[in-house]
Amino acid sequence: AAGVIQSPRHLIKEKRETATLKCYPIPRHDTVYWYQQGPGQDPQFLISFYEKMQSDKGSIPDRFSAQQFSDYHSELNMSSLELGDSALYFCASSHSGTGAYEQYFGPGTRLTVT
Amino acid sequence: AQTVTQSQPEMSVQEAETVTLSCTYDTSENNYYLFWYKQPPSRQMILVIRQEAYKQQNATENRFSVNFQKAAKSFSLKISDSQLGDTAMYFCAFMISGGSNYKLTFGKGTLLTVNP
Repeated sequence: AAGVIQSPRHLIKEKRETATLKCYPIPRHDTVYWYQQGPGQDPQFLISFYEKMQSDKGSIPDRFSAQQFSDYHSELNMSSLELGDSALYFCASSHSGTGAYEQYFGPGTRLTVT
Repeated sequence: AQTVTQSQPEMSVQEAETVTLSCTYDTSENNYYLFWYKQPPSRQMILVIRQEAYKQQNATENRFSVNFQKAAKSFSLKISDSQLGDTAMYFCAFMISGGSNYKLTFGKGTLLTVNP
């Protein structure tokens, strides 16, 4: 079965640079969630989209923005990167009709800021 | 706001034995879901088990079962016949049911080590 795809899997950036993380949900899933997991931490909710509209916002810095496109893939854009942005970024997807509570996680993108 | 507390940062168990991981939560909501996720060294987040708050029967998935005490706001995970592959970080998570958003709120996690 198809799973959530995230790219790139690993990313190394320098401070003050920008980064774009991509997420391709499971086919027919209409909702995407982004989570940030710092070293030794639990995942923290950043932002979610339902049918290409932002549905909720968590502890996402103003330097970050995200959107969901017409094909339901989502991108997380991160600017003016800081050392503290180094983390594992998960994308998860779900289908609002058949299983809104079932979030399927991608493998994550490991971002390292140096 | 919802909070999830896992009071055991680390636990260990011998292979083939049984272990119970604790989780408590705080919410004013009446309809919600509770989850246990496993995160092995690969860092992949894997759903272990789910419990709907309106269901009194405890969820079971093979060797994994939960003890859901709604009044006490407690949601523990029991792993029977522990296997080496169960070694992982285990996160308890909470999700409000209904509305337009289903974000997960996680606890700090319990690192479980299964020893041979």
